[in-house]
Amino acid sequence: GAVVSQHPSWVICKSGTSVKIECRSLDFQATTMFWYRQFPKQSLMLMATSNEGSKATYEQGVEKDKFLINHASLTLSTLTVTSAHPEDSSFYICSARDPRGGRTDTQYFGPGTRLTVL
Amino acid sequence: TQLLEQSPQFLSIQEGENLTVYCNSSSVFSSLQWYRQEPGEGPVLLVTVVTGGEVKKLKRLTFQFGDARKDSSLHITAAQPGDTGLYLCAGIQGAQKLVFGQGTRLTINP
Repeated sequence: GAVVSQHPSWVICKSGTSVKIECRSLDFQATTMFWYRQFPKQSLMLMATSNEGSKATYEQGVEKDKFLINHASLTLSTLTVTSAHPEDSSFYICSARDPRGGRTDTQYFGPGTRLTVL
Repeated sequence: TQLLEQSPQFLSIQEGENLTVYCNSSSVFSSLQWYRQEPGEGPVLLVTVVTGGEVKKLKRLTFQFGDARKDSSLHITAAQPGDTGLYLCAGIQGAQKLVFGQGTRLTINP
């Protein structure tokens, strides 16, 4: 199957700093990528849909100025957590939609990035 | 937003037993997927069901999509410790968005 990578796999930062997380589709071009957040022992919550060459679409309640998303190429989307605070500590997961999936929507998930804000 | 109710949320059983996890919604989904997630990793797709009434088998796992495409179930036969993990159902919403259930944390005790 298709491979999606994330970098870094984990990051620890001080409160007030910004952190950038990269999501790459390694063997296919993804016009659409998705960013999720998962708190401990909870399910995945969609944060935003990232479309190559256009602005991201954010879910209700997600601050677009705090979670900056850039999808500059067909294989790379980045999520920047600006002015991070301890409550932003979470597991951030991206997925990339493989357009070759045909009728069924196939998203491949990255391995996730564990963010800890001190 | 369409919601998916997954049950049970926690399940701990002995090796060799059978189990069923349910995923229910009041809304219709065009298709539904089941994922398995290990700690510290992203979810891995197990199956996609598209047609109402569809049944798919993956070794000891049987997935069923309800006739009305509002619910689904995952049945595991003769569970093994390797089946331990978080199982997530996800419905396909418009604009390609996935709506996830709360997840079922399954523990199989040797």
